[in-house]
Amino acid sequence: DTEVTQTPKHLVMGMTNKKSLKCEQHMGHRAMYWYKQKAKKPPELMFVYSYEKLSINESVPSRFSPECPNSSLLNLHLHALQPEDSALYLCASSLPLGKEEKLFFGSGTQLSVL
Amino acid sequence: SQQGEEDPQALSIQEGENATMNCSYKTSINNLQWYRQNSGRGLVHLILIRSNEREKHSGRLRVTLDTSKKSSSLLITASRAADTASYFCATPYTGGFKTIFGAGTRLFVKA
Repeated sequence: DTEVTQTPKHLVMGMTNKKSLKCEQHMGHRAMYWYKQKAKKPPELMFVYSYEKLSINESVPSRFSPECPNSSLLNLHLHALQPEDSALYLCASSLPLGKEEKLFFGSGTQLSVL
Repeated sequence: SQQGEEDPQALSIQEGENATMNCSYKTSINNLQWYRQNSGRGLVHLILIRSNEREKHSGRLRVTLDTSKKSSSLLITASRAADTASYFCATPYTGGFKTIFGAGTRLFVKA
């Protein structure tokens, strides 16, 4: 199984809603990532988890709250988002540092904040 | 600022022609990677070239790396309509967990 599965594929939410994005992989990868991508722009790193611990937070606003319940799952909890947070949210995973560093991406969640 | 910058921003070619995309980066790297993204989808890893390699091939893909100029190029030979996508170079740093993507080249291959 070489897939990273993201749900939902599409999400529309109001600014007062609370929602969660989910990501799952069964490749035994111990590093997992959240990226945000605006249209016609490259992905921008948000968070990195290594061995279920938050390793990197790229100064992301607190309305985005990541969670890594176990080595296969990664969540991104959303609360009080702004319309400018509308974007494609991509989850990725990789082997730990020292191994092959290539990233495996999910298909993303297209988020629209109204 | 982004680790990798790419040119051209967009490229339109006929099926069967070759497509060349260039990437420049700013800091020392252990490796450089290229990814493809179809519209609205996730990125797919294409090829990784390590800092001690100068050229690497994978099927119709050829990647070169010039560490003295901090640049890389991706050549797609005999392009197909299915190659239509955005292509990003990416460089990992900060211990390898922080992969930063270049601005990307949007390739359109006309049938």
